[in-house]
Amino acid sequence: AQSVTQLGSHVSVSEGALVLLRCNYSSSVPPYLFWYVQYPNQGLQLLLKYTTGATLVKGINGFEAEFKKSETSFHLTKPSAHMSDAAEYFCAVIHFGNEKLTFGTGTRLTIIP
Amino acid sequence: GAGVSQSPSNKVTEKGKDVELRCDPISGHTALYWYRQSLGQGLEFLIYFQGNSAPDKSGLPSDRFSAERTGGSVSTLTIQRTQQEDSAVYLCASSPRGTRTGTSGANTQYFGPGTRLTVL
Repeated sequence: AQSVTQLGSHVSVSEGALVLLRCNYSSSVPPYLFWYVQYPNQGLQLLLKYTTGATLVKGINGFEAEFKKSETSFHLTKPSAHMSDAAEYFCAVIHFGNEKLTFGTGTRLTIIP
Repeated sequence: GAGVSQSPSNKVTEKGKDVELRCDPISGHTALYWYRQSLGQGLEFLIYFQGNSAPDKSGLPSDRFSAERTGGSVSTLTIQRTQQEDSAVYLCASSPRGTRTGTSGANTQYFGPGTRLTVL
């Protein structure tokens, strides 16, 4: 069963525009939640994570995400896109009792000059 | 501060051959993970090590796949009798402790650059 859903395999935004990448999870117990970024021919780099506490988490490169339990969502946002943000973004979860990351299918972000 | 390193970066092999992929985790990290990234299947978990033992091998796709870790450090993923469907990027990650056992919440998994395996 799919436990992480990323809506939109490809997203294009203009430079300077808002970036919104969507992620929903399915779990009766809120999991730990992560966003990773992958630049071409590179490994995965953590942008941010939610474990407990404040539901709005800030990450690197100006990204942030908000955990909304009622919507089972953890959408990633950035107020103003930069050309260097072009990459593939993966939402991932770690479910209670597990150690492994379960990834969504990824969203490729393109920035239009 | 070296990150996670993997070797080789690229491996081309013929169908039916055995291959070994190596992962050097960040020094002091007790947890080590292998994942696979392929066009058809996305990012998939393969195996998790805590120290030298593997409490979760649930992602290994067949008995052709095995992994070991020695000295609580280096890990080797072995694929026997490779098939074309084994072509993928194999990613290794390490973490200071098991993600759920960290006292400060989930410990981050730090990823290496991956090994691109092509089976002809």
